[in-house]
Amino acid sequence: EPEVTQTPSHQVTQMGQEVILRCVPISNHLYFYWYRQILGQKVEFLVSFYNNEISEKSEIFDDQFSVERPDGSNFTLKIRSTKLEDSAMYFCASSEATGFTGELFFGEGSRLTVL
Amino acid sequence: GIQVEQSPPDLILQEGANSTLRCNFSDSVNNLQWFHQNPWGQLINLFYIPSGTKQNGRLSATTVATERYSLLYISSSQTTDSGVYFCAGTLYNFNKFYFGSGTKLNVKP
Repeated sequence: EPEVTQTPSHQVTQMGQEVILRCVPISNHLYFYWYRQILGQKVEFLVSFYNNEISEKSEIFDDQFSVERPDGSNFTLKIRSTKLEDSAMYFCASSEATGFTGELFFGEGSRLTVL
Repeated sequence: GIQVEQSPPDLILQEGANSTLRCNFSDSVNNLQWFHQNPWGQLINLFYIPSGTKQNGRLSATTVATERYSLLYISSSQTTDSGVYFCAGTLYNFNKFYFGSGTKLNVKP
């Protein structure tokens, strides 16, 4: 069964360092997303991406964050200068159709710990 | 955005018991899914259910879109059902899901 894959599964970094989280969405999906979950809290939307551009972003997704689809398979989330409060589980997701019509599939998550 | 309320927030069951989890939305949602977050943090798709009723083994779900709620039924619960259950919905023409705070289920042997 096709699945969304994410790397790394866990990353520990020092405050102020740049981090890149990588995702390979399901191959025939067109819409890509990043969500995050701070420990013990709800899952929060960060950004959606379609046709090589951001289609929506939340207030959390400030200038420290960026997304990119560098090739035909990968989808990345970059945090330029990490802060302690960026510590969270980051989930990549993809859907075949738009978010309001298509089923969303999540990867296993990348746990980011900022020290 | 929309507000998503889940109840109960915590639930303890004896193995074999049945339960109903509820999800209320503050606005009409165009899309709705239920997820199970296992102890390793993975979000597992349970149901894609914008409306109607679906069943998958011991689990079933019903969404009444006009009344802005969805229910998840777990029958004959097992210890492996433990974890957090999230519902999430989207508004028409928006590409983001709003998640509830989850129901934390603990099934005891």
